[in-house]
Amino acid sequence: GQQLNQSPQSMFIQEGEDVSMNCTSSSIFNTWLWYKQDPGEGPVLLIALYKAGELTSNGRLTAQFGITRKDSFLNISASIPSDVGIYFCAGYNFNKFYFGSGTKLNVKP
Amino acid sequence: EAGVAQSPRYKIIEKRQSVAFWCNPISGHATLYWYQQILGQGPKLLIQFQNNGVVDDSQLPKDRFSAERLKGVDSTLKIQPAKLEDSAVYLCASSLEPHGRNDGYTFGSGTRLTVV
Repeated sequence: GQQLNQSPQSMFIQEGEDVSMNCTSSSIFNTWLWYKQDPGEGPVLLIALYKAGELTSNGRLTAQFGITRKDSFLNISASIPSDVGIYFCAGYNFNKFYFGSGTKLNVKP
Repeated sequence: EAGVAQSPRYKIIEKRQSVAFWCNPISGHATLYWYQQILGQGPKLLIQFQNNGVVDDSQLPKDRFSAERLKGVDSTLKIQPAKLEDSAVYLCASSLEPHGRNDGYTFGSGTRLTVV
């Protein structure tokens, strides 16, 4: 299957700080999605990216579709305690989405 | 709109027992997916249905796992017999379009299975 590597695996930040995480692969993808999963819940879609180089925002979240189509990036500005959770990237090719292993975000008030 | 409904939320069984999970997708979503999420990992696709037909079950351990979607709406995933390594969260998702490329997937809250 397609391998997606997310980094960092986990991060501890102070409330108000900005956060950056990324997702890389040796494979080319046609669509990138970013999801957030709260404890005990299913993943919730945050941002969808469809073209190489595309930059899309959703409130304090901004994501980019890498120009090589092998990576994607997610930034969160001015983090707040409710940003705590696991962030997953998902890349699409061969008619299915493949998920990374997630970045666990902890925010200290 | 109502989300993807799953039940039960939690299940604890002994190894070699059988278990079944139920999913009701968002109304009108023709595509339904079952994912397995082991602790600390991302979701892994087990099976994908388009209406009541199987599109992809390449990663479903067919010797013990089975799934059906008889009327093209709700679906059941069964494990028989369960092994310790089946302990995971089983997520159901649905999408309006085939493969969900343009609208992503909507996930349910999952069923957490513990096999002891």
